[in-house]
Amino acid sequence: KAGVTQTPRYLIKTRGQQVTLSCSPISGHRSVSWYQQTPGQGLQFLFEYFSETQRNKGNFPGRFSGRQFSNSRSEMNVSTLELGDSALYLCASSLAVSTVGYTFGSGTRLTVV
Amino acid sequence: AQTVTQSQPEMSVQEAETVTLSCTYDTSESDYYLFWYKQPPSRQMILVIRQEAYKQQNATENRFSVNFQKAAKSFSLKISDSQLGDAAMYFCAYSAYSGAGSYQLTFGKGTKLSVIP
Repeated sequence: KAGVTQTPRYLIKTRGQQVTLSCSPISGHRSVSWYQQTPGQGLQFLFEYFSETQRNKGNFPGRFSGRQFSNSRSEMNVSTLELGDSALYLCASSLAVSTVGYTFGSGTRLTVV
Repeated sequence: AQTVTQSQPEMSVQEAETVTLSCTYDTSESDYYLFWYKQPPSRQMILVIRQEAYKQQNATENRFSVNFQKAAKSFSLKISDSQLGDAAMYFCAYSAYSGAGSYQLTFGKGTKLSVIP
C-alpha cells in the first residue's frame, strides 16, 4: 500500500512569489491535514480537508490556503511568500475519523530567499 | 487551548538500555487521544504508539510502552532495549474533537534521542 506522497521534496522560492505544494493521501483515506514545521514554532496545524471541504483551520494568515480534489489529493498554496514561510510542510492523511492517528508524508522543504 | 509540553529537548541512551521520554499536556476535555510520533532524518513522522484517554490500561507496542497518568496529565514513553534505529526526534501529540468531525493534532516541541553504541 503506497504511503502519503508529497511533491516536490524541496523547493526554493523568492520572497513575494507564490507556491503550490501537493499531497496524495493513502488510498481510501479521505481526510488530509497540513502542518508547518519550523525550528522556532515546532509543528503547527494549518488546515484539514475532508470530502473536498475544509473542516478545520489553524491560526495562519489568509495567504495560506488549500483545496482537496474528488480523488482526495490535496494542494496547499502560499501567496506572497515571506522569509518566515521557510519551513517543512507536512501532509497527513487518515480515514474519515482520525482518532487512530494520522499517516504522514516526508514533507516538502520550502526555502524562501 | 490545549498545550503539550516535552521538558527534555535532548536525551541519550546506551544501546540495549531503557530510556523514558516525558510529556505533559493541558486540557479540559475528558475524551481525547495521545500519540507518540518519531521523526528520523528522513523527515517522515512515524506513529509509534497511541493511547485513548478513556482506557486505563497503558498501551504497549513491542519495545515501546507508555505510562499514562490521566489525573496528572502525564504521558511518558518508555523505550526498552534501545536500538541504533531508535535515534530520532520524538514528538508527543494530543488530539481531541474540534468540531465538524475534525481531530487536529497538537504537538510538543520534541525530544531528540541519541543512541550510543
